[in-house]
Amino acid sequence: EAQVTQNPRYLITVTGKKLTVTCSQNMNHEYMSWYRQDPGLGLRQIYYSMNVEVTDKGDVPEGYKVSRKEKRNFPLILESPSPNQTSLYFCASTSGFNTGELFFGEGSRLTVL
Amino acid sequence: GNSVTQMEGPVTLSEEAFLTINCTYTATGYPSLFWYVQYPGEGLQLLLKATKADDKGSNKGFEATYRKETTSFHLEKGSVQVSDSAVYFCALTTIMIYNQGGKLIFGQGTELSVKP
Repeated sequence: EAQVTQNPRYLITVTGKKLTVTCSQNMNHEYMSWYRQDPGLGLRQIYYSMNVEVTDKGDVPEGYKVSRKEKRNFPLILESPSPNQTSLYFCASTSGFNTGELFFGEGSRLTVL
Repeated sequence: GNSVTQMEGPVTLSEEAFLTINCTYTATGYPSLFWYVQYPGEGLQLLLKATKADDKGSNKGFEATYRKETTSFHLEKGSVQVSDSAVYFCALTTIMIYNQGGKLIFGQGTELSVKP
């Protein structure tokens, strides 16, 4: 079954405690990205990757890091989380053929106290 | 710039009512337009799309027509069901935007609640 898997689904943490949200896809997609979803703002792209070892900033990259060492995995790293990073995070993947069909994970709800 | 504006929710309807969710956009270039749906506790999934002016996208009884003259892509369904309760997102992309890791520009989302 084609899927994008994120973990953890829910996390409560404290300011400054480093955390990683993992993302894995089994569709051999080149493109992967992270979005955050906030009320009234829709989804905004944080970082994206065009392929292994190719990553770049999206619209709201401050406070986040990513890596793409393998094609299937694209973890999101919060080195020093702050309360304004409390949000719902989605990983998405797609092929590079401009179909516009993104495949989303189920989301990771993060609360930073 | 590129942006998508949706009507504000939440929208509450009775079962079998007619649904319209308004979506307008601004874009440089020639965008493709999409509606995504997010059911409770799930990620977004593509509902329908249209890639050029006057195209009509349709799926599961939902329809939307790409109107270049009014820069709109309104979502409609003739008879909603309780199972249609979800958040609906309008989105666009262009070749330049999509080359940023498959990026889409999303509207703010419209929550639909259908009562029996």
